[in-house]
Amino acid sequence: QVTLKESGPGMLQPSKTLSLTCSFSGFSLSTSGMVVSWIRQPSGKSLEWLAAIDWDGDEYYNPSLKTRLTVSKVTSNTQIFLKITSVDIADTATYYCARRFNYYFDYWGQGVMVTVSS
Amino acid sequence: DIQMTQSPASLSASLGEAVSIECLASEDIYNNLAWYQQKPGKSPQLLIYYASNLQDGVPSRFSGSGSGTQYSLKINSLESEDAATYFCLQDSEYPYTFGAGTKLELK
Repeated sequence: QVTLKESGPGMLQPSKTLSLTCSFSGFSLSTSGMVVSWIRQPSGKSLEWLAAIDWDGDEYYNPSLKTRLTVSKVTSNTQIFLKITSVDIADTATYYCARRFNYYFDYWGQGVMVTVSS
Repeated sequence: DIQMTQSPASLSASLGEAVSIECLASEDIYNNLAWYQQKPGKSPQLLIYYASNLQDGVPSRFSGSGSGTQYSLKINSLESEDAATYFCLQDSEYPYTFGAGTKLELK
């Protein structure tokens, strides 16, 4: 059974660094063709793809945020991470991780809400 | 970036009716288009991938079509559980981009 679960700080202050973890089971990121992405959604708005890391360790970023994002994974291939530097109110959103395999996102985590507030 | 223009932003329909939602890409996305359903407080659920392929477990009243830059999702015989927001996603090239969403209300 494939599951993904996001975790994060819940709330942080502007200018800080946001650190998120995606823990997953039921698959390995080392499987050829496997990719896990980070996607976020401000309340009441649409979705924004942020970053991805694939089975080969290659990283992909949304150019609009690239200078602030870092995606990484553990060698056990059961977790990935996202760091967003210099957060501001506009980064307030629900953050999802999602698996992409066989060319589509088939499994998503439940999401973790992050609020940026002073 | 590829822009996805989704329409309508909202629609209201009765049980048993059929509705269609459209997504227009700013360039050819070669059928790399997926449709998702999202209910309040839940993560998006995959309905259709590669423009017209029904995800396992999704009712056959959902269907997708299109090519090039124009794609559509059709829902036949609406049921109460179909009340949700629907998004399209292009995964033809990075950065992947989503449509703005269509909120479907059942009368």
